[in-house]
Amino acid sequence: ILNVEQSPQSLHVQEGDSTNFTCSFPSSNFYALHWYRWETAKSPEALFVMTLNGDEKKKGRISATLNTKEGYSYLYIKGSQPEDSATYLCAFIKAGNQFYFGTGTSLTVIP
Amino acid sequence: DTEVTQTPKHLVMGMTNKKSLKCEQHMGHRAMYWYKQKAKKPPELMFVYSYEKLSINESVPSRFSPECPNSSLLNLHLHALQPEDSALYLCASSQDLAEAGEKLFFGSGTQLSVL
Repeated sequence: ILNVEQSPQSLHVQEGDSTNFTCSFPSSNFYALHWYRWETAKSPEALFVMTLNGDEKKKGRISATLNTKEGYSYLYIKGSQPEDSATYLCAFIKAGNQFYFGTGTSLTVIP
Repeated sequence: DTEVTQTPKHLVMGMTNKKSLKCEQHMGHRAMYWYKQKAKKPPELMFVYSYEKLSINESVPSRFSPECPNSSLLNLHLHALQPEDSALYLCASSQDLAEAGEKLFFGSGTQLSVL
């Protein structure tokens, strides 16, 4: 069993607050780390694919960093909006196209 | 068209029934995946097809039988399921294998209940 841990499990923030969550994964056999956003009643949607240690990716108000040596990735949301409310999943990909998802962080942005 | 379409959206079946879940994409993706997700758990990989050939089977019981008739279609045939198989079944596709840095495109899933 390969553990991919996300914290916190859930988060409530006020509109306009900035927030961040963590994804922890094994530091060996690393191929890629993905972040997905999953809104209720919709399909999970890819946010970022990160492959290199030190990678930083940005999409609007959302950004992510990657540290493969210590096995963690951070997702940051600046100025949270109600439409950011969703579950954020990370997935660790190792050799052989094996995906391991974390349990997700459920974000609720309160207007 | 950037959609992965899954049918049906909901399915209720008895333990003696045979049913199939369907997944379709027209993005020219060469890898397709089946995932199973139980409530409050992460999605678990079941099967991966690459270029229409089964490349990964994550020790899934034989009551689940995948089929990839062509590069756009992926089926999951269900037979003699157990109540504990009740879950959300997600299909996904990627341009190539995800270890090449490709992201997954997901369908909205089939919510399966086994009575």
